Amino acid sequence: AQSVTQLGSHVSVSEGALVLLRCNYSSSVPPYLFWYVQYPNQGLQLLLKYTSAATLVKGINGFEAEFKKSETSFHLTKPSAHMSDAAEYFCAVSEWENGNKLVFGAGTILRVKS
Amino acid sequence: EAQVTQNPRYLITVTGKKLTVTCSQNMNHEYMSWYRQDPGLGLRQIYYSMNVEVTDKGDVPEGYKVSRKEKRNFPLILESPSPNQTSLYFCASAVSGTSVWNEQFFGPGTRLTVL
Repeated sequence: AQSVTQLGSHVSVSEGALVLLRCNYSSSVPPYLFWYVQYPNQGLQLLLKYTSAATLVKGINGFEAEFKKSETSFHLTKPSAHMSDAAEYFCAVSEWENGNKLVFGAGTILRVKS
Repeated sequence: EAQVTQNPRYLITVTGKKLTVTCSQNMNHEYMSWYRQDPGLGLRQIYYSMNVEVTDKGDVPEGYKVSRKEKRNFPLILESPSPNQTSLYFCASAVSGTSVWNEQFFGPGTRLTVL
């Protein structure tokens, strides 16, 4: 079975600083990877997805993620944090053997300091 | 507007009192799923449905039931709720269950407290 590990349950950055949220996956087959964001009291929204077309994936709101097979990683980055980026971020892998099932990491809460 | 709706958004109930959380999508999606979110555990799948009248267990199905009589609706039923089912529940839908890169669209969530 596939699994996802997100390093750091809480990450705090200053406004304007680099955002780096870490995600490592475990998969015996080529993975399909996703980052979702959850703003307070809202549902999850797709930020970006990796489907093997390109290793560097650009998403919404200036976020991007790079797939590194050798490191089994899919870290999320943003060059300059905004206050509005404060949210919880989830990395997920799609288990294609079980239809469209998503296996989520535990989540990382991003705090942006002014 | 394309969306997934859930009702109720908040519910406080007592142990053993049957309840239903409704989920509806207006995007004609084949695939629907229920997840529960608990702190430190992320989201875990409860049940999913590949299409009408086709449902299957996810990772944590105990204590839950679902049905898929119509394409747009996928209610989650707790026949006899217990305190360990206190959680935040999300319904999601996708175009298809057979394409792994289909984006899943999530509802706003239902916060359930079982006393």
